Amino acid sequence: AQSVTQLDSHVSVSEGTPVLLRCNYSSSYSPSLFWYVQHPNKGLQLLLKYTSAATLVKGINGFEAEFKKSETSFHLTKPSAHMSDAAEYFCVVSDLGNNDMRFGAGTRLTVKP
Amino acid sequence: ETGVTQTPRHLVMGMTNKKSLKCEQHLGHNAMYWYKQSAKKPLELMFVYSLEERVENNSVPSRFSPECPNSSHLFLHLHTLQPEDSALYLCASSQDLNRASGGRDTQYFGPGTRLTVL
Repeated sequence: AQSVTQLDSHVSVSEGTPVLLRCNYSSSYSPSLFWYVQHPNKGLQLLLKYTSAATLVKGINGFEAEFKKSETSFHLTKPSAHMSDAAEYFCVVSDLGNNDMRFGAGTRLTVKP
Repeated sequence: ETGVTQTPRHLVMGMTNKKSLKCEQHLGHNAMYWYKQSAKKPLELMFVYSLEERVENNSVPSRFSPECPNSSHLFLHLHTLQPEDSALYLCASSQDLNRASGGRDTQYFGPGTRLTVL
């Protein structure tokens, strides 16, 4: 069975500095991986997804993530944080073998002016 | 908005009340989902519908009763809830349940209903 671990429950950065949100996964088969963002009192919005094509995936709002099979990681990055990036971020893994989806516990991103 | 709407956005109810949550998707999708999001816990998948048939029921208490009258609408009927049921209830939809190449299809979420049980 697959699982996902978001290594930081809270990340704080200054506006204009890089963002790194870490995600490690375990999967018995080739995984699909997703990052979702949730702003306060809103639903989850898809940022990007990896489905066995290019390992570097570009998403919306300047975010990207790199699938690294050797490290079983799918970290989310952005070169320069904006105040509007402050939100909760969820890493999600889906096994191609058993058609299940597992959500990480979330990482809360704070952006300081 | 993502094409998935939920009403009401906020709901306060007593433990003896009966209420319903409504979800509607305007994306032409075939699969719909109910999730529960509680503070400091990962999202919990409650129910999955594909082509209006329930395909998953993840050990959810019977005080939660889903209904999917057509592929665009999903309801969650609530009856004699407990205070610990207070949470954000999220609806999602996807084109199909699973992708042809394997794995779950990408899900698109509504804004959620914030439920408080007194």
